[in-house]
Amino acid sequence: KAGVTQTPRYLIKTRGQQVTLSCSPISGHRSVSWYQQTPGQGLQFLFEYFSETQRNKGNFPGRFSGRQFSNSRSEMNVSTLELGDSALYLCASSPITQGDTQYFGPGTRLTVL
Amino acid sequence: DAKTTQPPSMDCAEGRAANLPCNHSTISGNEYVYWYRQIHSQGPQYIIHGLKNNETNEMASLIITEDRKSSTLILPHATLRDTAVYYCIVKTGANNLFFGTGTRLTVIP
Repeated sequence: KAGVTQTPRYLIKTRGQQVTLSCSPISGHRSVSWYQQTPGQGLQFLFEYFSETQRNKGNFPGRFSGRQFSNSRSEMNVSTLELGDSALYLCASSPITQGDTQYFGPGTRLTVL
Repeated sequence: DAKTTQPPSMDCAEGRAANLPCNHSTISGNEYVYWYRQIHSQGPQYIIHGLKNNETNEMASLIITEDRKSSTLILPHATLRDTAVYYCIVKTGANNLFFGTGTRLTVIP
C-alpha cells in the first residue's frame, strides 16, 4: 500500500496570507490527524477528522481549521499567517477506531516570511 | 501533558544493541505504550507498541515491566540509519498523540 502523502512538500508564504495543505491517507484509512512541529514547541496535535467530522481538537487558535472529504482526504487551512506558524505540518492516518496505530506522512514545510 | 520521561540523548556503537528506556509511572490500565522515531525532519515512523506483554517485530523489541510503569525499546543491532529521535508515547483511546522531547539516539561507527 502507498503511504500517507502530503502536498505540497514545501511552501513559502508571507504574513497575513492564508494557506491550504493537503493530506491523502493510506487507502482504507478513515481517520486523519494533523500535527504541527516547531523547534520550540515540538510536535503538537492540531485536530483529527473521522468520517468528515472533527473528532478531536488540540489547543490551537481558530485560524487553524480543517476538513475531510468523503474519500477521507483531508485539508487543513491556516488563515492570517503569522511568523510563528512556520513549521513542519504532519498528517497521520489510521484505519477506523481511535485505538488504531497512526502512520505519518512526510510533512509539509511551511515558511512564513 | 507529558506522561513519559525519557533521557534526552544516548549513544550506541554500530552493531550493538540499543536499549532506550522510558518511564510512564502514571499509565492507566487501558493505555498502550507506543514508540515512534523521527529521522531528521521526516515524518515520525511507527516502530512498535504494546499493552502489557513484551512485543517483537522486524524493527525492534518492546519490554514492558510487570507493573507497566516503565518500558525499554531494544534495537538489536543498531546501524547508522537508526540515528534518530525516539519518542515513547502513552496512548489513550484517542488519536491525539502527545510527543514529548524524546531521546536522541546517535549510532557511532
